[in-house]
Amino acid sequence: AQSVTQLGSHVSVSEGALVLLRCNYSSSVPPYLFWYVQYPNQGLQLLLKYTTGATLVKGINGFEAEFKKSETSFHLTKPSAHMSDAAEYFCAVINNAGNMLTFGGGTRLMVKP
Amino acid sequence: NAGVMQNPRHLVRRRGQEARLRCSPMKGHSHVYWYRQLPEEGLKFMVYLQKENIIDESGMPKERFSAEFPKEGPSILRIQQVVRGDSAAYFCASSPTSGFSYNEQFFGPGTRLTVL
Repeated sequence: AQSVTQLGSHVSVSEGALVLLRCNYSSSVPPYLFWYVQYPNQGLQLLLKYTTGATLVKGINGFEAEFKKSETSFHLTKPSAHMSDAAEYFCAVINNAGNMLTFGGGTRLMVKP
Repeated sequence: NAGVMQNPRHLVRRRGQEARLRCSPMKGHSHVYWYRQLPEEGLKFMVYLQKENIIDESGMPKERFSAEFPKEGPSILRIQQVVRGDSAAYFCASSPTSGFSYNEQFFGPGTRLTVL
């Protein structure tokens, strides 16, 4: 069975500071990994994904994530936080059949002025 | 191109009533997925459907919950005799048939169900 763990249900950073959201996964096969963002009262929007190839993946809004197989991690980073980044972020892994996402518990990012 | 549509956006039911949640996938998408997000939790997979077929319902509660995706019209998630524990946000996602080993899912805005 696959699982995703997001360390830190709440992360607070100052505007302009580095954003680091942690994600560790468990999977018996090479994983396909995703980060989604959810703004209040909205659905999920795909930020970025890792399938194969380059382990450093760039997404929208200046976010990127690095797949590290040895650490079973897929942490999300952004060099400089913006107020508009305040949202909830979900890491997810997809199953072997490619049709079921397993999500982590989410990390709520707060950005202080 | 309109995204995934869900209605209603908010639904209030009293215990024992039925809730019907609708999802219209993106144009050209033939796969629909339902997820449930309980308060302060991540999304949990419920069911995966293609037109007129339930492909995987491993996440559906055994009783009171059902889903369909008819040949014509939206996908429906139906909850009979709702209880307070059913209060949650229900998200629908859709994907096209792809030649890749996974289906990229596009999410709707969700239906927030409140059971009084």
